[in-house]
Amino acid sequence: KAGVTQTPRYLIKTRGQQVTLSCSPISGHRSVSWYQQTPGQGLQFLFEYFSETQRNKGNFPGRFSGRQFSNSRSEMNVSTLELGDSALYLCASSPGQVGYGYTFGSGTRLTVV
Amino acid sequence: GESVGLHLPTLSVQEGDNSIINCAYSNSASDYFIWYKQESGKGPQFIIDIRSNMDKRQGQRVTVLLNKTVKHLSLQIAATQPGDSAVYFCAENMGGNNRLAFGKGNQVVVIP
Repeated sequence: KAGVTQTPRYLIKTRGQQVTLSCSPISGHRSVSWYQQTPGQGLQFLFEYFSETQRNKGNFPGRFSGRQFSNSRSEMNVSTLELGDSALYLCASSPGQVGYGYTFGSGTRLTVV
Repeated sequence: GESVGLHLPTLSVQEGDNSIINCAYSNSASDYFIWYKQESGKGPQFIIDIRSNMDKRQGQRVTVLLNKTVKHLSLQIAATQPGDSAVYFCAENMGGNNRLAFGKGNQVVVIP
């Protein structure tokens, strides 16, 4: 079966702009989580969506938001981009029960200039 | 807190030898642990997982050991191969939440 698909793979944006990233989970998976990966902070949890509802949220400012559609595809949005938002954004797909099968996509590399 | 840390930032290992990567976790309520491998330009790839009701679990060439008493996790890779060169992360699932807390990562370099 197809894996987790993230688009686009690479993005370059200017400070102050906004960006939308997309994640298509494994077929049948209802949970999508988003993570930010930077060299300094490592992998940090942003939020999780399950059945179109945000179920968990990490410690990121409100500029980071997301949503999930009825087909479980998810998008995350970052508004008013800052240089420090440059990172690899990863999404993880899972069936939804706690503690089962987190599969990651290849990520979107965002560079803010 | 959400601290999951690795003791060694870089591990150099001779091809064919066994590798051991260690990880300390801080939340005694965590009940599910995963090891991931991340190669350059790719997302984390699942290696093996273990639940808190187990002490040991084996996969193909990999073994995970869990010591809940000292909150320690280790990954053993048998007969390390050049393709094992990557960054390895441990992650804990913090009981009741569908979220993972990751360690900083440990670079494994396999010397041919």
